[in-house]
Amino acid sequence: GESVGLHLPTLSVQEGDNSIINCAYSNSASDYFIWYKQESGKGPQFIIDIRSNMDKRQGQRVTVLLNKTVKHLSLQIAATQPGDSAVYFCAETDSGGGADGLTFGKGTHLIIQP
Amino acid sequence: NAGVTQTPKFRVLKTGQSMTLLCAQDMNHEYMYWYRQDPGMGLRLIHYSVGEGTTAKGEVPDGYNVSRLKKQNFLLGLESAAPSQTSVYFCASSYGSSEQYFGPGTRLTVT
Repeated sequence: GESVGLHLPTLSVQEGDNSIINCAYSNSASDYFIWYKQESGKGPQFIIDIRSNMDKRQGQRVTVLLNKTVKHLSLQIAATQPGDSAVYFCAETDSGGGADGLTFGKGTHLIIQP
Repeated sequence: NAGVTQTPKFRVLKTGQSMTLLCAQDMNHEYMYWYRQDPGMGLRLIHYSVGEGTTAKGEVPDGYNVSRLKKQNFLLGLESAAPSQTSVYFCASSYGSSEQYFGPGTRLTVT
């Protein structure tokens, strides 16, 4: 299948600053996108999702932006906190293609500097 | 709700041994999945199921078998373990093609 990838493997930000994590995807049929957070030794945890009929969605301190023209997805975390340190994965699926799971990017390790 | 649970949490096998990983969910989800996670590789889908009694192959199915005899359980079997199957295994479940809920993982080492 087509791959989903991330631009940077590691992102280091100061506590309190905003973080932006980027993701590129190549499957033009993808219509559902999710961001997951994975802390060390734990399973991925859902953060926020967005469908292809939207270009922005906001949650608590997080915003996901989708640019279908350039097949780009980003996760913005406002006022980062130490608890935000984790690996962040974007994932995509073509929901019309059946339940064959999500295609994950390789992840970005977000490090929060005190 | 316990969500998605996995047993065991850790296991060490010798090459050629067999084992079964158990996944259970209490959210009445129809869809269940098994992924493996390797360093630098992200999560890759092994097998999945869209309902009780049905299973399908994912991206990396070789060397694994699965069964979904009950809606709430999804079993992953390794008939003859190989060192290449050393990995962290995650189970997930969902309402159809939407947000997937993940278990805590099983760390398997094959020597």
